[in-house]
Amino acid sequence: DVKVTQSSRYLVKRTGEKVFLECVQDMDHENMFWYRQDPGLGLRLIYFSYDVKMKEKGDIPEGYSVSREKKERFSLILESASTNQTSMYLCASNGRDSGETQYFGPGTRLLVL
Amino acid sequence: QKEVEQDPGPLSVPEGAIVSLNCTYSNSAFQYFMWYRQYSRKGPELLMYTYSSGNKEDGRFTAQVDKSSKYISLFIRDSQPSDSATYLCAMGFQKLVFGTGTRLLVSP
Repeated sequence: DVKVTQSSRYLVKRTGEKVFLECVQDMDHENMFWYRQDPGLGLRLIYFSYDVKMKEKGDIPEGYSVSREKKERFSLILESASTNQTSMYLCASNGRDSGETQYFGPGTRLLVL
Repeated sequence: QKEVEQDPGPLSVPEGAIVSLNCTYSNSAFQYFMWYRQYSRKGPELLMYTYSSGNKEDGRFTAQVDKSSKYISLFIRDSQPSDSATYLCAMGFQKLVFGTGTRLLVSP
């Protein structure tokens, strides 16, 4: 059974703080993704990674960075949180065994005050 | 124009009804088509996966893809209150593009 876990379910941060969101998958998947989900806008891809230490910008990378030091872990970093980054953040992974199907974590609901 | 269009709903039906959820898309290169179900405050979970055109059935759920019309559908037979959730279509070739989701409410 594929398992994708995210470090926090809920986070409250202040404007200007540095925020780390962690994601871990246990299926040895090559690919990992970070999305944000907002009402009326659906899921939007922030960054993705095809391999350790590799990263690619998605559709809305501004204000975010990522780190993938180990295959199973993909971190999303908000260098200086702003109120417009209040959102639901979803991590996903897939690999050769799953094709294009992405498996999602439970999400982190971030509130920036 | 968005690459993937999905009616946001909400769609309200009585228990036992047949539900039809739909998405249209503009990119003819899309080969993979999926439906995800997302309960409130949870991550999306894969419901159905189809490659290229055709139908796929799994229990009460049937997924249809019509590539000539760029139109995909998810049918739910004998809908249950536990089916109340947001349904997201997703499709792609090398990267997935998601619809905004349709909220379904099944009342007992």
